[in-house]
Amino acid sequence: DAGVIQSPRHEVTEMGQEVTLRCKLISGHNSLFWYRQTMMRGLELLIYFNNNVPIDDSGMPEDRFSAKMPNASFSTLKIQPSEPRDSAVYFCASSLVLVRRTDTQYFGPGTRLTVL
Amino acid sequence: AQTVTQSQPEMSVQEAETVTLSCTYDTSENNYYLFWYKQPPSRQMILVIRQEAYKQQNATENRFSVNFQKAAKSFSLKISDSQLGDTAMYFCAFRIRPIQGAQKLVFGQGTRLTINP
Repeated sequence: DAGVIQSPRHEVTEMGQEVTLRCKLISGHNSLFWYRQTMMRGLELLIYFNNNVPIDDSGMPEDRFSAKMPNASFSTLKIQPSEPRDSAVYFCASSLVLVRRTDTQYFGPGTRLTVL
Repeated sequence: AQTVTQSQPEMSVQEAETVTLSCTYDTSENNYYLFWYKQPPSRQMILVIRQEAYKQQNATENRFSVNFQKAAKSFSLKISDSQLGDTAMYFCAFRIRPIQGAQKLVFGQGTRLTINP
């Protein structure tokens, strides 16, 4: 079975440009998580979707960040305009969340973003 | 608020030795999950093992086992017969067991483990 798929794996862009990161969930999963990893702050949850609905976006740093789930298996994380401090590794994770059962989160390979 | 603390930033052992990574957490919840994730140089986050707080028996996955001490809020990872491929960053993570809503994983800062030949 395919795991979580993220693209691109590496992205280098200039300050002010729009950046779009993509994620495909594991088939059958209904929840998606976007995390950001930096040396200073470690791994942080940015936003969590359940059944295409954003449930917790308290970790989204500011209005420059937005995330969508246009369908049940795909999500995008957009940064517009990008800034050098957004440089990090962005992970997408997938899980099956039911009313009385929660499965493990499985992570994608990550996207290393560098904003110059 | 839930917090996870890994007090060992770096560890290094010889191949075939046993190593224990420590993790403590703080929560007022009674039902929760604990996880150990491994992040090798490839950057991929790989689940190593998980423990449900209501289960008293320590989880085991092949060479990996945990020592879960609920009262002490401690969740250490033991790697037996360590292999070169175990070299990675190891993250302890915590998640409450909600009825509904938040599924947030809270991560520790990580322990960088190096297995030497």
